[in-house]
Amino acid sequence: GAVVSQHPSRVICKSGTSVKIECRSLDFQATTMFWYRQFPKQSLMLMATSNEGSKATYEQGVEKDKFLINHASLTLSTLTVTSAHPEDSSFYICSAIRLDFTDTQYFGPGTRLTVL
Amino acid sequence: QKEVEQNSGPLSVPEGAIASLNCTYSDRGSQSFFWYRQYSGKSPELIMFIYSNGDKEDGRFTAQLNKASQYVSLLIRDSQPSDSATYLCAVPDRGSTLGRLYFGRGTQLTVWP
Repeated sequence: GAVVSQHPSRVICKSGTSVKIECRSLDFQATTMFWYRQFPKQSLMLMATSNEGSKATYEQGVEKDKFLINHASLTLSTLTVTSAHPEDSSFYICSAIRLDFTDTQYFGPGTRLTVL
Repeated sequence: QKEVEQNSGPLSVPEGAIASLNCTYSDRGSQSFFWYRQYSGKSPELIMFIYSNGDKEDGRFTAQLNKASQYVSLLIRDSQPSDSATYLCAVPDRGSTLGRLYFGRGTQLTVWP
């Protein structure tokens, strides 16, 4: 299988601060990565599609100015939660597409964000 | 919006039994299907994918696909307590977003000793 890493795995921050989460594909190049959010006991919710070298595509209802996505290389995408508030506390998960005949999506281990 | 429906669960089976997880999808043109497992507090991990009608076996897992009925299932033989997790069925977007998946809400499986 393919390996996707995320950093940090856990972050606690004060309300109003910004938090950056990194997603890396370690053993393959990924032109497309996805960012999800998951609240406790709820389904995965796709936030945005991150494309290398172009602007991210956000899902309806997701504020692009609050959740900044940068996909500067074929192995790295970052999600920055700006001016975080307690309601942004969630489990953020990235995934990357390995472009082979299966076009399989591989998930990172996730980042648990707690905003105090 | 593609629809992917999974049996609501939770599903509870004894150790050693066969667990059967079901999924239906709305897009008749869908060609590939993925099963992911998600342990509580963890991210999803790929179990299997299937493209062709019929069965695909990988160890204790068997995926079954029936495109005419728009139905895909996952069987877990000799279920173990370590199989207790939420199982997600996913279908790719056939539109413009390469690789995007539509997920079902998941079926929570508990295997009791």
